[in-house]
Amino acid sequence: ETGVTQSPTHLIKTRGQQVTLRCSSQSGHNTVSWYQQALGQGPQFIFQYYREEENGRGNFPPRFSGLQFPNYSSELNVNALELDDSALYLCASSHRDSYNEQFFGPGTRLTVL
Amino acid sequence: DAKTTQPTSMDCAEGRAANLPCNHSTISGNEYVYWYRQIHSQGPQYIIHGLKNNETNEMASLIITEDRKSSTLILPHATLRDTAVYYCIVRESNSGYALNFGKGTSLLVTP
Repeated sequence: ETGVTQSPTHLIKTRGQQVTLRCSSQSGHNTVSWYQQALGQGPQFIFQYYREEENGRGNFPPRFSGLQFPNYSSELNVNALELDDSALYLCASSHRDSYNEQFFGPGTRLTVL
Repeated sequence: DAKTTQPTSMDCAEGRAANLPCNHSTISGNEYVYWYRQIHSQGPQYIIHGLKNNETNEMASLIITEDRKSSTLILPHATLRDTAVYYCIVRESNSGYALNFGKGTSLLVTP
């Protein structure tokens, strides 16, 4: 069974640029959630996708957007990057029928200069 | 979701039991207590969850007080690999949405 994978591992961007982060869900999982974790803080929920549609959103502006593909892989897109967007971005997959356990990937470390 | 309160940090000697407390005094009747941990440079990992009965699995035990206003996660024989940040989260099961992580408890297991 393949776990949750994310790419890239690390990324450096400059303010104002756009970035796309990718996540491959664990086999059999049809729901993916994205989290932002600033240094020294717990992860903060960005949004969740189920059946290729956004299924819930945290307190993040519209420049944070996402996609989920038929194979349940997912992308997180961030436009007009700001310095405060520097963080670890985590994706987590789960099955719709069982949210008790969400499986997290290792994250992508984004640095905005 | 109910708010939780955890100590910022704790120490535990290797081989001893680690008891991590969590207060959730505003928990409602249909909310579960979940525990996740995050080892440095890794994503969070599910440990255990429960509603009102004590729960045990291969990783840990969860003790929930009768009034459900607090709980304790027990790692029975802590190892160095248990050094991590432990998050107590209260939410409705199968609510489908966010895990609301706080700052958690940083547990240091020492030799």
